[in-house]
Amino acid sequence: DGGITQSPKYLFRKEGQNVTLSCEQNLNHDAMYWYRQDPGQGLRLIYYSQIVNDFQKGDIAEGYSVSREKKESFPLTVTSAQKNPTAFYLCASIRDRQRDGYTFGSGTRLTVV
Amino acid sequence: KNQVEQSPQSLIILEGKNCTLQCNYTVSPFSNLRWYKQDTGRGPVSLTIMTFSENTKSNGRYTATLDADTKQSSLHITASQLSDSASYICVVSGGSGGYQKVTFGTGTKLQVIP
Repeated sequence: DGGITQSPKYLFRKEGQNVTLSCEQNLNHDAMYWYRQDPGQGLRLIYYSQIVNDFQKGDIAEGYSVSREKKESFPLTVTSAQKNPTAFYLCASIRDRQRDGYTFGSGTRLTVV
Repeated sequence: KNQVEQSPQSLIILEGKNCTLQCNYTVSPFSNLRWYKQDTGRGPVSLTIMTFSENTKSNGRYTATLDADTKQSSLHITASQLSDSASYICVVSGGSGGYQKVTFGTGTKLQVIP
């Protein structure tokens, strides 16, 4: 079955560390997205990529970085510059933004310890 | 500023009863509206998508309506089941230019009890 795989499901980060969240899709979708979800807030866009080797900042990109070297993969690095990284991170992809719903991964819960 | 507001914030209903969740938005120009179901600790799953010209769409026991004039949508759940317990998120796309802005509501948390 096609879908999006996020790993790990849970991640603990020490202060000052960089961590990378994995997102892989086998849906052949061009567009991929990273969102952050905090309690009581709607999903907020971190970065998005509409095609391989191209990505754009979303609304809250500070302290994060991404790469898109392959169509299937869109990893997110949470750097030490992100002051409040504890959150639930969701990766999504979409084939046609007009006609389709986003396909989301199952999420990664990042906690700073 | 584009906004999506959902009500109620949370809701508890008895198994077998119906319920209706509301979504009001200010996104303009409007492109489409989607409803998602999100189980705790999981990613959202798409229920329906509606464009400007559609005013109702069903997916099993879920029926979404859209009034583009008043900028309101509702999600009606019929004969609720325990597995319907989840957060329901309204998502509106719109705006001009090459990339459309996608705005997420904060969700309605539904709990279905026996």
